[in-house]
Amino acid sequence: GAGVSQSPSNKVTEKGKDVELRCDPISGHTALYWYRQRLGQGLEFLIYFQGNSAPDKSGLPSDRFSAERTGESVSTLTIQRTQQEDSAVYLCASSQGDTIYFGEGSWLTVV
Amino acid sequence: QKEVEQDPGPLSVPEGAIVSLNCTYSNSAFQYFMWYRQYSRKGPELLMYTYSSGNKEDGRFTAQVDKSSKYISLFIRDSQPSDSATYLCAMSGGTYKYIFGTGTRLKVLA
Repeated sequence: GAGVSQSPSNKVTEKGKDVELRCDPISGHTALYWYRQRLGQGLEFLIYFQGNSAPDKSGLPSDRFSAERTGESVSTLTIQRTQQEDSAVYLCASSQGDTIYFGEGSWLTVV
Repeated sequence: QKEVEQDPGPLSVPEGAIVSLNCTYSNSAFQYFMWYRQYSRKGPELLMYTYSSGNKEDGRFTAQVDKSSKYISLFIRDSQPSDSATYLCAMSGGTYKYIFGTGTRLKVLA
């Protein structure tokens, strides 16, 4: 595709529910990232996928967070038992080289 | 000390002004430097990318890197209200780990 595509663009969920966020990277990009950005804050690294290598999950904040990627295609970030502090925008990015390109983000509000 | 420091602003300037946005860093291994623009409720958009000391120009934007001082800048000439956004610097040492600044909020007043 032309750019990184994320869905849903907005999600309001009740505390305790699970949510699933999807990312479709730029075609041909082998690297895929998830970041979290809380209101007025910087980008917080969550997880990195590169091809078929083991992902770097070092940024996942708790075991309620998990992510999967099928080969070099779409990725899904799952947040289980959502908490209010999970409210943020979740940004996906992909890369093939030295620069990364972001999607528009999935804006998550936990009420 | 954070690896990357960026003044959060907000920075307000009149239309037509030259804007200077800056980041300092502590890791001398950083080789690749990027500037992103992020409009409200949008994802970051890559503006400039450079990997060497010196200046790189693209239209009204100039990216400057001074590796000896560990200092990078983004200059915006003839600033427009449409330039109002948050500007994020980012850098890496050639691995997949990118370090982002917290962003500077810029407001260009018409």
